[in-house]
Amino acid sequence: AQSVTQPDARVTVSEGASLQLRCKYSYSGTPYLFWYVQYPRQGLQLLLKYYSGDPVVQGVNGFEAEFIKSNSSFHLRKASVHWSDSAVYFCAVSATAGNTGKLIFGLGTTLQVQP
Amino acid sequence: EAAVTQSPRNKVAVTGGKVTLSCNQTNNHNNMYWYRQDTGHGLRLIHYSYGAGSTEKGDIPDGYKASRPSQENFSLILELATPSQTSVYFCASGDWGLGAEQFFGPGTRLTVL
Repeated sequence: AQSVTQPDARVTVSEGASLQLRCKYSYSGTPYLFWYVQYPRQGLQLLLKYYSGDPVVQGVNGFEAEFIKSNSSFHLRKASVHWSDSAVYFCAVSATAGNTGKLIFGLGTTLQVQP
Repeated sequence: EAAVTQSPRNKVAVTGGKVTLSCNQTNNHNNMYWYRQDTGHGLRLIHYSYGAGSTEKGDIPDGYKASRPSQENFSLILELATPSQTSVYFCASGDWGLGAEQFFGPGTRLTVL
């Protein structure tokens, strides 16, 4: 069965510092992988999506993620964070059963950017 | 303009009362989803739909019903609301098929007293 683990419930970084949010997945085959962001009091918005090709995929607002199949990981990175990046970040994988479009989400990582 | 909208945005209900949460999408997507979000649990899928007239149980359907009267509208119904159903509820829409992105509404904050 597919699953997603985000081992860090909360990450705090200083503005201008680099960022990595971790995501590990369990999946048989080649997964569709997603990162979503949720700003306070809002719904989730897609940051980036990966299926095949270059294992480093670029997203919005300077975010990127790297797919490492050997490690079953899809970590999110940003070179220099801004206070406005404070939000909850969710990693997700497509569910294969029935080819339905369902997604399986991790529990999320809350990012706090300190000035 | 927003493609997935939810109403109401905030709702206070009494235990045992009936609550209906509504969702409308203008994306012309076949699939629609209802999630609840709670601290420590992330997003949990309650019900989903593949098109008008269809509803399917998600991972935590107990105590909830769903209705999909049209391509655009998908409702979540709590016939007998309980305090344990206090949560933030999100609706999403997406295409059918592996790898399809989901588009989320702004959420409804429900408090059951």
